[in-house]
Amino acid sequence: GQQLNQSPQSMFIQEGEDVSMNCTSSSIFNTWLWYKQDPGEGPVLLIALYKAGELTSNGRLTAQFGITRKDSFLNISASIPSDVGIYFCAGRVQGAQKLVFGQGTRLTINP
Amino acid sequence: NAGVMQNPRHLVRRRGQEARLRCSPMKGHSHVYWYRQLPEEGLKFMVYLQKENIIDESGMPKERFSAEFPKEGPSILRIQQVVRGDSAAYFCASSPGQGTYNEQFFGPGTRLTVL
Repeated sequence: GQQLNQSPQSMFIQEGEDVSMNCTSSSIFNTWLWYKQDPGEGPVLLIALYKAGELTSNGRLTAQFGITRKDSFLNISASIPSDVGIYFCAGRVQGAQKLVFGQGTRLTINP
Repeated sequence: NAGVMQNPRHLVRRRGQEARLRCSPMKGHSHVYWYRQLPEEGLKFMVYLQKENIIDESGMPKERFSAEFPKEGPSILRIQQVVRGDSAAYFCASSPGQGTYNEQFFGPGTRLTVL
């Protein structure tokens, strides 16, 4: 079945630094999504990508849909304490509704 | 608009008991999805339902698990004769439709602990 490999698994950074994480797959996805999950809560949708090569921003967040359709990355600029949490990539293949999730990147910020 | 609602938020069951998890989708959403999350892992798809129909249950264990989304009322995920390995967070998501641009919005989850 489809699998998403997300890296890094965890990041420890200083407040104000930029962050970059990515997801790769051996399968082609038609939609890439990035979610953030806070402790004890459900995932919250940050960015959705629908076309190969698409670059989309949401405030300090920027994500790109890889041109091979097998990867995506998420950048966070000038990190702040509220960025702490677990970030998940998710993909959807043509004709399916279910989402395939990566393993998550746990972001910790030192003030 | 209220988001996706799930209850209970926490559920404790002893081995062999039944667990019933409820999900009310966002207003105007008629598509519901259930996912399971083990500690330190990503979410795993279980089942996709529309009103009164199961559309995709490819991620659902063949035994003890069932799901429904009746014409009236919330979607229910039912786990019979729970075992310790069923301990996990169960998330429900809803979308207004299917296909591109109909993204899934998640509820806060039900954390099931089996003693």
